[in-house]
Amino acid sequence: AQSVSQHNHHVILSEAASLELGCNYSYGGTVNLFWYVQYPGQHLQLLLKYFSGDPLVKGIKGFEAEFIKSKFSFNLRKPSVQWSDTAEYFCAVILSGGYNKLIFGAGTRLAVHP
Amino acid sequence: GAVVSQHPSWVICKSGTSVKIECRSLDFQATTMFWYRQFPKQSLMLMATSNEGSKATYEQGVEKDKFLINHASLTLSTLTVTSAHPEDSSFYICSARDGRGGAGPLRTGELFFGEGSRLTVL
Repeated sequence: AQSVSQHNHHVILSEAASLELGCNYSYGGTVNLFWYVQYPGQHLQLLLKYFSGDPLVKGIKGFEAEFIKSKFSFNLRKPSVQWSDTAEYFCAVILSGGYNKLIFGAGTRLAVHP
Repeated sequence: GAVVSQHPSWVICKSGTSVKIECRSLDFQATTMFWYRQFPKQSLMLMATSNEGSKATYEQGVEKDKFLINHASLTLSTLTVTSAHPEDSSFYICSARDGRGGAGPLRTGELFFGEGSRLTVL
């Protein structure tokens, strides 16, 4: 079955530290890739997405992600995190082949300390 | 961006009763909406795909008689939890695709999420 794996369930960083959250998917066909963020008490928001073209995608709030097809990965990065980045981050995939469904990873809870 | 609204945001009910949750796309038409369920500290699990004017498509393991989905118009889908039990307590989230993002095999229109509805069954 197709799946999305997020390697880090809980990450704790100090402000200004660099962030990289791992995301791998298991599917051999064409995919659309997404990172969503859920701030405490708020609903899911789209951070960035990859459909095609440049595999390095820039999103909102200084986040970026790189699609590496050979590794089936779409890791999220930010060079310098802020306290306000404390949230839960979800990687998600839409598969080709008519499925058209968004499949989520388990999420990574990020806590940034001042 | 487009807005998806859910109502109610929080509902408490007695075991055995039915609860209806509404999902509306406020500024766009959505031929397809998705219903997710999120358990505490876990990811979103897709329950079903709601198709306007036709029957919903349920994911494996989701009871279609338990979770009734109706997509009566291009801006409204409802999820009814029938004969609710405490194990149905969860956070239910809907999403809708803004089709203005384009067509094609992967339907690149962006998905927007509702605020979620927290159901507590006593």
